[in-house]
Amino acid sequence: GQQLNQSPQSMFIQEGEDVSMNCTSSSIFNTWLWYKQDPGEGPVLLIALYKAGELTSNGRLTAQFGITRKDSFLNISASIPSDVGIYFCAGQLGGATNKLIFGTGTLLAVQP
Amino acid sequence: DAGVIQSPRHEVTEMGQEVTLRCKPISGHNSLFWYRQTMMRGLELLIYFNNNVPIDDSGMPEDRFSAKMPNASFSTLKIQPSEPRDSAVYFCASKPAGASPDTQYFGPGTRLTVL
Repeated sequence: GQQLNQSPQSMFIQEGEDVSMNCTSSSIFNTWLWYKQDPGEGPVLLIALYKAGELTSNGRLTAQFGITRKDSFLNISASIPSDVGIYFCAGQLGGATNKLIFGTGTLLAVQP
Repeated sequence: DAGVIQSPRHEVTEMGQEVTLRCKPISGHNSLFWYRQTMMRGLELLIYFNNNVPIDDSGMPEDRFSAKMPNASFSTLKIQPSEPRDSAVYFCASKPAGASPDTQYFGPGTRLTVL
């Protein structure tokens, strides 16, 4: 099935460092979403973006909806050990569909 | 308030056996989604229901997979016969009526291993 290209695949950082990850697609999306998945759990929504160019923050997290509507990035500032997990982007294509296309995921490891 | 409930949490079975995964959506939600997650293919939508009616099943891999939603509070995903390549984590998610797709709430998943 269709997937979004997400990078990097994995990141190993020190506590306190900033993190950046992004997603790109050949398709135009109406909505971009960012999820976090902890081990043994389902994905949990972090940030939702609805308009091209939109920049949204949620605590230490900031995400932007690309102008071309084909990309998005997520930044995490001042990382802490509980930021560890897998981060997924997801996009919703146009129309009335409830279908989301997910990225391949970024594994984040934070060393105290 | 209870979230999406899935059972079993872990299932180990032998090739050729029938497997049934169960999901109870959040009360009041009218859309239900089944996803499969593997290392190779990531998180893929298999099928989703609105008001107990299947809307899009284009992600269902093949005829061995079937999903039902007999009522608003229960859904099953069945694999018959199962194969080793079906090994994955299967997630169920639900969404309130009229809400945008980003309001999907995921269950904890069922980890399926087919030997």
